[in-house]
Amino acid sequence: AQTVTQSQPEMSVQEAETVTLSCTYDTSESDYYLFWYKQPPSRQMILVIRQEAYKQQNATENRFSVNFQKAAKSFSLKISDSQLGDAAMYFCAYRHSEGNQFYFGTGTSLTVIP
Amino acid sequence: GAGVSQSPSNKVTEKGKDVELRCDPISGHTALYWYRQSLGQGLEFLIYFQGNSAPDKSGLPSDRFSAERTGGSVSTLTIQRTQQEDSAVYLCASSPRGLSAGVLTDTQYFGPGTRLTVL
Repeated sequence: AQTVTQSQPEMSVQEAETVTLSCTYDTSESDYYLFWYKQPPSRQMILVIRQEAYKQQNATENRFSVNFQKAAKSFSLKISDSQLGDAAMYFCAYRHSEGNQFYFGTGTSLTVIP
Repeated sequence: GAGVSQSPSNKVTEKGKDVELRCDPISGHTALYWYRQSLGQGLEFLIYFQGNSAPDKSGLPSDRFSAERTGGSVSTLTIQRTQQEDSAVYLCASSPRGLSAGVLTDTQYFGPGTRLTVL
């Protein structure tokens, strides 16, 4: 079975600074997808960034980037120039390329300090 | 355009009652997911619909849980004889999952969820 682990229940960052959220996963598959989702207090999950395992290049979306280490099964999210609106719960997720089920971690609560 | 909507936003029920939760996906999205999020926990997969294929029910926790998707659009999650441990936020997501220009597109778009409280 696939598992996704987020070892940081809570993180904080000063506004305009950079923060990295950790995620590790366990799988025996070679072809899969990894995601970071943001869940603000409104409860709605918002896709932040997506990475295909077959791509060596790390995905980037504006201030958000990932450090994908396939051999280490690590998928960390870096948020640069943190903004107050980045405060939310962040979830890491995994899906096998041929599967239907998404596996989510337990989340990291990010606080942005003005 | 309109996103995924869910109703009701909050539901309080008594133990033993049945409840129905509704999800309206984004028009044209062929895939629909139901998840459960308990307090302080991640998302737990419940069920997945894709087009006219048989749903993947592997995540349903018991036979008290069922879901249907009518006409490939609206979905209803039904919980029979609710128990206190069913209290959670139930999230629905839709996806245009499929191949587009040879690339798998499976980004999920989530609704705001239904908070279920079983007394």
